[in-house]
Amino acid sequence: GAVVSQHPSWVICKSGTSVKIECRSLDFQATTMFWYRQFPKQSLMLMATSNEGSKATYEQGVEKDKFLINHASLTLSTLTVTSAHPEDSSFYICSAKGWDIPLYEQYFGPGTRLTVT
Amino acid sequence: AQSVTQLDSQVPVFEEAPVELRCNYSSSVSVYLFWYVQYPNQGLQLLLKYLSGSTLVESINGFEAEFNKSQTSFHLRKPSVHISDTAEYFCAVSLGGKLIFGQGTELSVKP
Repeated sequence: GAVVSQHPSWVICKSGTSVKIECRSLDFQATTMFWYRQFPKQSLMLMATSNEGSKATYEQGVEKDKFLINHASLTLSTLTVTSAHPEDSSFYICSAKGWDIPLYEQYFGPGTRLTVT
Repeated sequence: AQSVTQLDSQVPVFEEAPVELRCNYSSSVSVYLFWYVQYPNQGLQLLLKYLSGSTLVESINGFEAEFNKSQTSFHLRKPSVHISDTAEYFCAVSLGGKLIFGQGTELSVKP
C-alpha cells in the first residue's frame, strides 16, 4: 500500500517559537493532503485540506495565520505552527490521496507529537 | 450537523473472546461509514467500509460491521480476538469531502 511519512515524529519547542512538520507521500503523487489534530482520548479533528499548488482550505475555528500549510509539490506538505503556545500541544496527523483515490482511502501518516513548554 | 459517537473509550477483553465496538452516527442524509484501525506508532488504516448494498461488511482479518439505518449504528464485531488486534479503532462517516471521526475505542486484548 501507499506510504505517508511525517517528520519529526515528536518535537518539543519553547513557547513563542515556530515549528514545522513535514508530511510526505513516498510512493504516490498526493494531489490532496489533509491535516488533522488529535487531543488525548479524543477524535481526529480536520484542520485543513490542501490541494497541490493551491491555498489550503481551513475548517471553521482554525486560525490560518497560526497554522500555516504549504503544499508546494505532489509529495510534500508542511504545517508550520507559528508562535506556539502550550495549548497548541497535540498530536498532528496528516493524510494524503491521489486524484483518483476515494476520500475514504486516504493514507495516513504516523503522526507528530508536539509539546510546547 | 453530523456527528459520530463511539460509546466505549476502552474495551478490555481476553484473547479468543468475542468483542463489539459500538458506533452511532447522526445525519440527516445518507452517509458512507468506515472503521479505521491505528496500531501503536502507526497511521490509521482503513479496516472496512459501507458504501451501499449489503448492510453487513467484512474485513480480511475477521472483523465485520453491520449498518443499521433505523438505529443509525455501525457496530464493529469480531467473534474471537487475538493479541494482535490490540489497537485504537475509529468509526468515521464521510460527507462533503471530509471524514468525521468518532472519539476512538482502545481495544486491549489480554492473554
